[in-house]
Amino acid sequence: SQTIHQWPATLVQPVGSPLSLECTVEGTSNPNLYWYRQAAGRGLQLLFYSVGIGQISSEVPQNLSASRPQDRQFILSSKKLLLSDSGFYLCAWGGSGGPGNTIYFGEGSWLTVV
Amino acid sequence: AQSVTQLGSHVSVSEGALVLLRCNYSSSVPPYLFWYVQYPNQGLQLLLKYTSAATLVKGINGFEAEFKKSETSFHLTKPSAHMSDAAEYFCAVSAPTDSWGKLQFGAGTQVVVTP
Repeated sequence: SQTIHQWPATLVQPVGSPLSLECTVEGTSNPNLYWYRQAAGRGLQLLFYSVGIGQISSEVPQNLSASRPQDRQFILSSKKLLLSDSGFYLCAWGGSGGPGNTIYFGEGSWLTVV
Repeated sequence: AQSVTQLGSHVSVSEGALVLLRCNYSSSVPPYLFWYVQYPNQGLQLLLKYTSAATLVKGINGFEAEFKKSETSFHLTKPSAHMSDAAEYFCAVSAPTDSWGKLQFGAGTQVVVTP
C-alpha cells in the first residue's frame, strides 16, 4: 500500500530564517506531487505541483519554492520566511493516470513564523 | 474556470440526527467531485469521490453524497451523526480536462456534534 510521510510535524521559525519541509511517498512510482497551504480561515490553497523529477509548477506567486530531486521526494523551501508564511502545510500525492485521480494527503506540518 | 461553494462554515447537529453538508460547484462541464474530512491537527482523508459512474456515491464512515447536475450540487449526508463525526469537511472539484488532477477546495464546514 502507498504511504506518504511529511516532516517536521511542527516548527517555529523566526522571520527571515530559511525553511525546508520534506515529503516522501512510498509504494508507488511516478506520482503527481502537491503542496497545499491551509491558513487560518482561508481554506486550502494549492501552492505547487509536480508531475516528474525536476518539473515544478507554481500556482501562486509567493515567498516559497519547491523542488523534486527524486521521484518520490518533494521539498518546500524558503530562503527568508515572512510572518504571512505561517500556516498548515500539506503534502499530497496522486496517480499519474489522468483527470479525476484521487489525491492523498500527508499529516501536515504546522509552521509558525514569529 | 471552476469553483466550489460550501454553504455554512459551521454546522451543529445532535448525536443521532441527520448530517447534511452542502456543496455547489461552478463548472462548464461536470467535474470530478470529492469530499474530504479533516480531524484536528491532521491531514485530509478522502470520504468519497464522484466520477460519473453513479450519481449516488457511498463513502466511508456511513457518509454518502448525491450528484445533481441540474442543481450543480454534491451534498454530503449521513443519516445518524456520531460524536466521532466532529471534524471539518471539505468539498473539492477537479476539472475533467486537468491531466494533473489538481483540486480546488471549498472553504470547509466545521461540524460540531452535541450529545
